[in-house]
Amino acid sequence: DIVMTQSPDSLAVSLGERATINCKSSQSILYSSNNKNYLGWYQQKPGQPPKLLIYWASTRESGVPDRFSGSGSETDFTLTISSLQVEDVAIYYCQQYFSTPPTFGQGTKVEI
Amino acid sequence: QVQLAESGGGVVQPGRSLRLSCAASGFTFSKYAMHWVRQAPGKGLEWVAIIWYDGSNELYADSVKGRFTISRDNSKNTLYLQMNSLRAEDTAVYYCARDGLRDSSWHYHLDYWGQGTLVTASS
Repeated sequence: DIVMTQSPDSLAVSLGERATINCKSSQSILYSSNNKNYLGWYQQKPGQPPKLLIYWASTRESGVPDRFSGSGSETDFTLTISSLQVEDVAIYYCQQYFSTPPTFGQGTKVEI
Repeated sequence: QVQLAESGGGVVQPGRSLRLSCAASGFTFSKYAMHWVRQAPGKGLEWVAIIWYDGSNELYADSVKGRFTISRDNSKNTLYLQMNSLRAEDTAVYYCARDGLRDSSWHYHLDYWGQGTLVTASS
């Protein structure tokens, strides 16, 4: 199985400041035939299901604010919140869908 | 709008069975692969199973293989998860989720999730 490791486990960011979450996969999740990284990012608020933010490592889901951005390739990926808002307090997960089973990172808790 | 509504959770003794359902609406159900993902209390997300849009293939996590069966009824827009020989470690909120690409023969990102249903395996 591909292991997804996120860092840090938690971080506290001031309102309006940048938050950066890292995700590292145990092997490359870049599919050479289409040059796509098989990685998604999800946001989960307390008592709610996860919500898709980013897919193909950098494509923002419809309706997701543009302060959320994804980057990276092969084994190293980053989710950036450019200006943290109160409503961004949540746990964030990365997920690879390159191989079976799809696997998630352990999550990163973002607080104010 | 896309809606997914899970049902069927509850408290069950270890070793017993339970069947979860997920009613889908707001999209062409028969065009999308569907997943089950679970989350143990206070823990992270664990993928459980996927079934292809036409029901032609299923894949499972090793932790549930041979005990759980995913199925679907495209005429009823409903996804199922039959859980047999339940263990304490199966205790979790179970989410159904839609695969992000239609008519696909692989698993991709999960673009819509239900609210989840809690399964507790305890004596």
